[in-house]
Amino acid sequence: DQQVKQNSPSLSVQEGRISILNCDYTNSMFDYFLWYKKYPAEGPTFLISISSIKDKNEDGRFTVFLNKSAKHLSLHIVPSQPGDSAVYFCAASVDRGSTLGRLYFGRGTQLTVWP
Amino acid sequence: DGGITQSPKYLFRKEGQNVTLSCEQNLNHDAMYWYRQDPGQGLRLIYYSQIVNDFQKGDIAEGYSVSREKKESFPLTVTSAQKNPTAFYLCASSPRAYGYTFGSGTRLTVV
Repeated sequence: DQQVKQNSPSLSVQEGRISILNCDYTNSMFDYFLWYKKYPAEGPTFLISISSIKDKNEDGRFTVFLNKSAKHLSLHIVPSQPGDSAVYFCAASVDRGSTLGRLYFGRGTQLTVWP
Repeated sequence: DGGITQSPKYLFRKEGQNVTLSCEQNLNHDAMYWYRQDPGQGLRLIYYSQIVNDFQKGDIAEGYSVSREKKESFPLTVTSAQKNPTAFYLCASSPRAYGYTFGSGTRLTVV
């Protein structure tokens, strides 16, 4: 059963505009959320994260919003650039302070930014 | 530079053969993980290990085996029991619940 869901397999955005990638989760025990970016034939790289005690975290062009009541988070990229074209994975973990550290991943959203 | 290294980058296996994928990290991370990526499936956890000489099955462990004899190394063996082994395999390590560092992956193809 998929506990982290990315319902949009793909998103196409014009350069300079905002990209919004969405993620939903079902496990209310998740307390830490991350976004990873992946290019073909490479490993994912960490992009940005947010703790459940916050509702927003910003890093340059990237902002992640968390709505715990809706069990929903989103990644905003402003302005979008062609180099942002990649697969974006949403991930979540339970009990961040534990030694387990296991992440649950969504299926990913392919973002394409066109000139 | 610290990092996590997977080898080889491409691997071909004949049906019925076992094959071992290498994963080495020099980040001094406690935990290590193996994931499999298939188109449209996202990342699915195969095995993970939190300490040396201990590991746990993930969501799709059937047909795979691992060992963790050293903190730095977490090799994955894809056995002949794995019915559909062609995939992109990713190894990751983590310093206790703070998110992963991924390797660059191994593309395994059964011929």
